[in-house]
Amino acid sequence: GESVGLHLPTLSVQEGDNSIINCAYSNSASDYFIWYKQESGKGPQFIIDIRSNMDKRQGQRVTVLLNKTVKHLSLQIAATQPGDSAVYFCAENTPFSGGYQKVTFGIGTKLQVIP
Amino acid sequence: SAVISQKPSRDICQRGTSLTIQCQVDSQVTMMFWYRQQPGQSLTLIATANQGSEATYESGFVIDKFPISRPNLTFSTLTVSNMSPEDSSIYLCSVEPARGNTDTQYFGPGTRLTVL
Repeated sequence: GESVGLHLPTLSVQEGDNSIINCAYSNSASDYFIWYKQESGKGPQFIIDIRSNMDKRQGQRVTVLLNKTVKHLSLQIAATQPGDSAVYFCAENTPFSGGYQKVTFGIGTKLQVIP
Repeated sequence: SAVISQKPSRDICQRGTSLTIQCQVDSQVTMMFWYRQQPGQSLTLIATANQGSEATYESGFVIDKFPISRPNLTFSTLTVSNMSPEDSSIYLCSVEPARGNTDTQYFGPGTRLTVL
């Protein structure tokens, strides 16, 4: 997909505040969405997922909201901690004919937590 | 989730050489994938590696440049052939476990490749 090169969107949040990371997805046929967290020097780590028949799903300190009308996904992190500093990627899973599915990743948002 | 390891974790290679990256999973998985992540960018799927069949490559990626093996349900290799500096990236393998939520992919730690 598209990317912004070395200039990832950055969100700076004070420790203890809530964070909201947004993502616009591209395909209205996508039926499954995942948020990943990638710390420096590591592979992406699964955080939370949501299927298209839901509009909200909560985990521990994280909530994902899905708005299919405008093809928008958000990740909310409550009481943000320094360990939450990372790059966050949304991913959409799109089914195609023949059982083939494709996962497309968004450009990523860098979350910086200010102590 | 599955535990995934990759070898090497990083390498510095000379232009024109090839590097083979290994991906090992601690359980049998149906689908394995190889991604490229260029510096500061998102993940781009290179190919899907299915056991017992040829890998399926995405647009812009070809088998001659990125040959893949998938000899069994726990192992795969990706070779980056005839490397150039533009191949400098992080290469990641991911898996879809055979059980549980088959739509979720879990990632290895990545191989950081620098081509001089």
